[in-house]
Amino acid sequence: GAVVSQHPSWVICKSGTSVKIECRSLDFQATTMFWYRQFPKQSLMLMATSNEGSKATYEQGVEKDKFLINHASLTLSTLTVTSAHPEDSSFYICSAAPTGELFFGEGSRLTVL
Amino acid sequence: GENVEQHPSTLSVQEGDSAVIKCTYSDSASNYFPWYKQELGKRPQLIIDIRSNVGEKKDQRIAVTLNKTAKHFSLHITETQPEDSAVYFCAARSFGNEKLTFGTGTRLTIIP
Repeated sequence: GAVVSQHPSWVICKSGTSVKIECRSLDFQATTMFWYRQFPKQSLMLMATSNEGSKATYEQGVEKDKFLINHASLTLSTLTVTSAHPEDSSFYICSAAPTGELFFGEGSRLTVL
Repeated sequence: GENVEQHPSTLSVQEGDSAVIKCTYSDSASNYFPWYKQELGKRPQLIIDIRSNVGEKKDQRIAVTLNKTAKHFSLHITETQPEDSAVYFCAARSFGNEKLTFGTGTRLTIIP
């Protein structure tokens, strides 16, 4: 299957700082990647769809100015959580579907103090 | 948009018995239904999927059934083992739409 790699796997930051999470497709090119957020004991909620070379598409209720997405190449998409607050603490997972099947990155656990 | 409901939220099963998890979806245009297994702190892994042109699919101890008329699909795990303990998510996607909508998850515990 396709390999999606995400970094960092965990990060702790102070309230008000920004955090960048990288998502890479290692053995395929991804024109589209999906960013999900998962709170403890809850389901995966789609935040946004990143599109290579163009603006991301955000789901309803997701602040685009707070969750900045950049998909500058066919193998890299980044999610930046700006001015993070404790309520942004969550498990962020990127994914891609090069063959229709959705493949997930390892996930990044963000803790905002 | 699509809405996927999943039941039960928790399920405890004696080792060796069968487990069944059920999902319903709202969008009649949905045609792809995967099931994911997620262990604590790890990424979801696809365990089986079914498309709308098929009513049932089986892979060893795991099977999925789909009833398009009723808009529901189910995951069946037979001869359960301790390593089957995890959270399971169903999902649905409609033709031409890349987005998957996930169910709320079922925490399955296999009792040795």
